[in-house]
Formats: sequence, structure tokens, C-alpha cells
Amino acid sequence: EAGVTQSPRYAVLQEGQAVSFWCDPISGHDTLYWYQQPRDQGPQLLVYFRDEAVIDNSQLPSDRFSAVRPKGTNSTLKIQSAKQGDTATYLCASSPYWGGAEQYFGPGTRLTVL
Amino acid sequence: GDSVTQTEGLVTLTEGLPVMLNCTYQTIYSNPFLFWYVQHLNESPRLLLKSFTDNKRTEHQGFHATLHKSSSSFHLQKSSAQLSDSALYYCALSDLPGTGSNRLTFGKGTKFSLIP
Repeated sequence: EAGVTQSPRYAVLQEGQAVSFWCDPISGHDTLYWYQQPRDQGPQLLVYFRDEAVIDNSQLPSDRFSAVRPKGTNSTLKIQSAKQGDTATYLCASSPYWGGAEQYFGPGTRLTVL
Repeated sequence: GDSVTQTEGLVTLTEGLPVMLNCTYQTIYSNPFLFWYVQHLNESPRLLLKSFTDNKRTEHQGFHATLHKSSSSFHLQKSSAQLSDSALYYCALSDLPGTGSNRLTFGKGTKFSLIP
């Protein structure tokens, strides 16, 4: 069974540029998570979905970040105008929707904003 | 809000010695799920073990941990560390288990390095 896939694997931007990250979760997993992992820190939840519905986006910088999962399968995370402080690895994870379910992480997208 | 506190920074040990990585947590919920995730170099985090039951030992791949709600702790232990255990270890808390949600709050991570 295929794991969580993400693309691109790497991105390098100038400040002010836009970038989109794409995630394909494990088939059958109705819950999808986006995390930001700055260097040498733990993953920090940005937003998560159950099917196509946003469950919690309270940690998403709403003025520049957006995330969608229109058909309840793949998801896109977009940064409208990147800042140097956005430099981090962006991880996508998926799981079934029940308490204590293991989250399966994708390989991540390593973003560098110059 | 919820928080997880781990042994911070780098823990260095000689191979074959026992190891304990500390994890304590704070949450308003009485029945949290606690997890340990491991992240090897240039890889993504993967689940090592998890627990929901108070005072019950959970084991996987030679590691074990016991959730103690009285002290809000979930320390990770191994009796004999191996070179292949060198990695980043994250303790995480799921604070809404009763709803089916699985929102995780991660600690800052402990880097564990073994010396031959």
C-alpha cells in the first residue's frame, strides 16, 4: 500500500513569492493534517481536515496561508507571500478518524525562503 | 492550551547502556492519548508507541513507556540502547480522544546519539 506522498520535495523562494504544496494521503484515511516543522523543532499543526471539511485551522496564518481539500482526498497548502520565517519543512500526515489513531507522515517539503 | 515538555537538546550515551527520555504533559482533558514518534535523519516521523491506559506498560521494538496520569508523565525507556536508535524522539499528546479527533501537540524533541 502506498504511503503519504508529497510534492515538491524541495522549494527555494525569494520573499514575497508564492508556493503551493501538494499532498496525497493514504487511501481510506479520511483525516489529513498539515504540519510546519522548523529546523530542530517538533512538528506544529497548521490545519487538519476530515474529508473536505476543515476541523481546525486556528494555527494557520490566515493572511498568507490557505489550505484546501476539495474532494476529501488530495490537499493543497499555499503560501501567498512567503517570508523568511516560513523556512521550514512542511509535513502532511493522514489517519483514520478515531481517537489515538496513528498518523502516517509523508516525506515533507523542505522550503527555504531567501 | 496543551503542552508537552521533553528532555531538551542532545542525549549522548554509550551503546549498550540503558536510556530514559523524559516526557511530561499538561492538558485539561482527563483521558489524553500519549505518543512517542521517532524521526531518523532525513526521514519523516513515524509512530514508535502510544498509550491511553493509566499505569499500563506499552512496548514496541525494545522500547517501553508507561502513562502515569498522577504525574502527567510518559517517559520512554530502553534497557540497552543500540547504534540504530540514534534519532530524534518526539513525545506527543492527543487532547480530544473522545471526539475521534487526533490533533497532536508535539514536544520540542530529544536528539539521541549513541557512541560505539
